[in-house]
Amino acid sequence: GAVVSQHPSWVICKSGTSVKIECRSLDFQATTMFWYRQFPKQSLMLMATSNEGSKATYEQGVEKDKFLINHASLTLSTLTVTSAHPEDSSFYICSAGFGTSGYNEQFFGPGTRLTVL
Amino acid sequence: AQSVAQPEDQVNVAEGNPLTVKCTYSVSGNPYLFWYVQYPNRGLQFLLKYITGDNLVKGSYGFEAEFNKSQTSFHLKKPSALVSDSALYFCAVRALRASGTYKYIFGTGTRLKVLA
Repeated sequence: GAVVSQHPSWVICKSGTSVKIECRSLDFQATTMFWYRQFPKQSLMLMATSNEGSKATYEQGVEKDKFLINHASLTLSTLTVTSAHPEDSSFYICSAGFGTSGYNEQFFGPGTRLTVL
Repeated sequence: AQSVAQPEDQVNVAEGNPLTVKCTYSVSGNPYLFWYVQYPNRGLQFLLKYITGDNLVKGSYGFEAEFNKSQTSFHLKKPSALVSDSALYFCAVRALRASGTYKYIFGTGTRLKVLA
């Protein structure tokens, strides 16, 4: 149980285009989803926290207009990288928590590798 | 400031030997502590967590971790390492924000290399 999927697993796009990454909780309802960014050989950096039906909470230094997050349902959150540039190339990982223990344990997706040319 | 430290970038151990991956933390209130493992180009896999109870926590794949409140540590251990344990290991702590919500803070990761 508690499986989280991400789609696509990898994507290559041209500079200036937008890319949407989906995060789905397959067998549970995720009240809270988290989006992380991981640079090579570095730790995970929390970008934003999203709760179903409300606006995402972005971490300091993360551009809201650049990284659009939508948590439209209890099983789906999307991250859209708008007008992507090479510096946005990274490994993006989502995680999901549920119920009152949403912050007690997170279940991670397999990640999406974004390469912007 | 709330933080997690993994002092070793890499740990090398011979197969069959015990392994320890170190983690120390600084957090407000009671700590919720986690260990995750990451294989190349993959997301994080949960190994174990400490929320309350016994200081020695047993997790997946034969791993265990010991919570030490006085030393603010949560070291990951395994009695006998396998080559397949070679991966990147992250320690994380649940941190309380000023808003009253929580977020996870991750350490910088420790690469474990088990030598055959």
